[in-house]
Amino acid sequence: DAKTTQPNSMESNEEEPVHLPCNHSTISGTDYIHWYRQLPSQGPEYVIHGLTSNVNNRMASLAIAEDRKSSTLILHRATLRDAAVYYCILRPPRAQKLVFGQGTRLTINP
Amino acid sequence: NAGVMQNPRHLVRRRGQEARLRCSPMKGHSHVYWYRQLPEEGLKFMVYLQKENIIDESGMPKERFSAEFPKEGPSILRIQQVVRGDSAAYFCASGDTYSRDIQYFGAGTRLSVL
Repeated sequence: DAKTTQPNSMESNEEEPVHLPCNHSTISGTDYIHWYRQLPSQGPEYVIHGLTSNVNNRMASLAIAEDRKSSTLILHRATLRDAAVYYCILRPPRAQKLVFGQGTRLTINP
Repeated sequence: NAGVMQNPRHLVRRRGQEARLRCSPMKGHSHVYWYRQLPEEGLKFMVYLQKENIIDESGMPKERFSAEFPKEGPSILRIQQVVRGDSAAYFCASGDTYSRDIQYFGAGTRLSVL
């Protein structure tokens, strides 16, 4: 499985944008980039995924570098409820399982 | 539309007892995945099932653990003769044939072995 590298922790302030980076220099041409988050004492929650183009949904935006060796999850206006561990996951097209790394623990200050 | 339901939310067992964890997938979903999260560790894939079939059990411990997803009823993760090292949070996720890219997770079962 291709490896991702994320900072262990990040901190931001409420109502400010948050940019969560992910490096994946060994990504293959067909790997999708998925983001999940896990709020305290809950199961993981799907956030967004993409292949090559930037993606937007109601939760976040995903910016993918042109060479696909890195990506950034963008929370446009963080709230206290966004405090969670964020996981960047590479997923081959027919793979069923998700391979979770250590993720980034995001703290939001009021 | 109810989400993925796991029960019980908390389960306490003594060493040597059996633990049965249940997972009801989202309505219409025929794919179930089980993951385990040991204390202070990341989530690890255990097993992937479709109705009545185990598709991938590469993450299942070789002994004492089994999983099923019968034609009717929830998926069951069964741990026989539990040991303290089995204490963890067990998460179930479900997906369907058309949106297999996304896995929807339950709130988990927290197993404590005394």
